[in-house]
Amino acid sequence: EDKVVQSPLSLVVHEGDTVTLNCSYEVTNFRSLLWYKQEKKAPTFLFMLTSSGIEKKSGRLSSILDKKELSSILNITATQTGDSAIYLCAVVPSNFGNEKLTFGTGTRLTIIP
Amino acid sequence: GAGVSQTPSNKVTEKGKYVELRCDPISGHTALYWYRQSLGQGPEFLIYFQGTGAADDSGLPNDRFFAVRPEGSVSTLKIQRTERGDSAVYLCASSLDRGSYEQYFGPGTRLTVT
Repeated sequence: EDKVVQSPLSLVVHEGDTVTLNCSYEVTNFRSLLWYKQEKKAPTFLFMLTSSGIEKKSGRLSSILDKKELSSILNITATQTGDSAIYLCAVVPSNFGNEKLTFGTGTRLTIIP
Repeated sequence: GAGVSQTPSNKVTEKGKYVELRCDPISGHTALYWYRQSLGQGPEFLIYFQGTGAADDSGLPNDRFFAVRPEGSVSTLKIQRTERGDSAVYLCASSLDRGSYEQYFGPGTRLTVT
């Protein structure tokens, strides 16, 4: 059974700090890893990572995949209160016809002003 | 443009009742997914449609759960004889096509079974 583990489960930091969120996975057939931000109910897409070692960046957020270590990190620099959310990691299987995303439990990030 | 919409946003029902949850995907998206998210957990896959057909329903927990997408657009998730354990947020997502893994999620329906 595919498994995705995220750490820490929750994190509280002050505005301006830099945070690193972790995601590790055990899957039978790996294609891609996705990061989502969930503020209320709808997760919003952040990044899709397929190739190891290539950093994806969007503003203050960046993410990188390490296929050898079966893991990914999401970095947020100069955090703002609007970054407070649950960050979800999901893996995408590679076998054709299997579209089932497997999500981790998420990291709840709280930014204190 | 319009995103994925779901109705109702909240539904409270009594144990044993039947409920229907609706999802309206982004126009032109052929792939549609249903997930269930319990408190403190990540979304859990239920079923995936490619067009009108259910391509993978392996995540449906039991035969009380059923979903349809008769015209390849709007989908309805149906739950019979609801149980308290069915209480969760039901999320719908759509993507342009199979293999297009950037799934766009709707705001979800919070189902509470009393």
